[in-house]
Amino acid sequence: GQNIDQPTEMTATEGAIVQINCTYQTSGFNGLFWYQQHAGEAPTFLSYNVLDGLEEKGRFSSFLSRSKGYSYLLLKELQMKDSASYLCAVMTTDSWGKLQFGAGTQVVVTP
Amino acid sequence: SAVISQKPSRDICQRGTSLTIQCQVDSQVTMMFWYRQQPGQSLTLIATANQGSEATYESGFVIDKFPISRPNLTFSTLTVSNMSPEDSSIYLCSGDLAGGPGDTQYFGPGTRLTVL
Repeated sequence: GQNIDQPTEMTATEGAIVQINCTYQTSGFNGLFWYQQHAGEAPTFLSYNVLDGLEEKGRFSSFLSRSKGYSYLLLKELQMKDSASYLCAVMTTDSWGKLQFGAGTQVVVTP
Repeated sequence: SAVISQKPSRDICQRGTSLTIQCQVDSQVTMMFWYRQQPGQSLTLIATANQGSEATYESGFVIDKFPISRPNLTFSTLTVSNMSPEDSSIYLCSGDLAGGPGDTQYFGPGTRLTVL
């Protein structure tokens, strides 16, 4: 199986930057996904990395290093609406489409 | 854009009863999955819903407890059988909607189940 680790909670102020790290141990890596989940709602897709490097999408960026089994999600210019749980999920080559989720990082944005 | 819907959105059930949750996608998807999210926890995969054949269950989940159907490429059901309070959870279906990178899974809104 996979071990996926991410911090439990992070707090940052509005307008700041927060970086959520995710480390994983897996065989047959086939992509890493980040989802955002607001309380009481379903997860929504944020980003996908399968090759090393940085993917930027507006205020959100995601980075992957396959050799280190490491990813991060960078949230810039934080807004109050960014307060949510951020889930790191890994897909492997022997689990076509199936996702193994980390426990999630609760981000709290304060005024 | 394509949408995944679930019914019911929530339910409160008595111990020992069963509940069937429906998942409808408004476009054909190759893969559909069912996940469970217990209170304060992350998502755990229950099973892969295979079109026209028996579902593939993850370790710790069995067909007798969570029978799944997938009669076509846009619809699936999950039944939570002989429920106990430990089954209180959010149940989510997912599908690989067109337009996503890789095999990105998109989630339905979830069914919040409370078992008394």
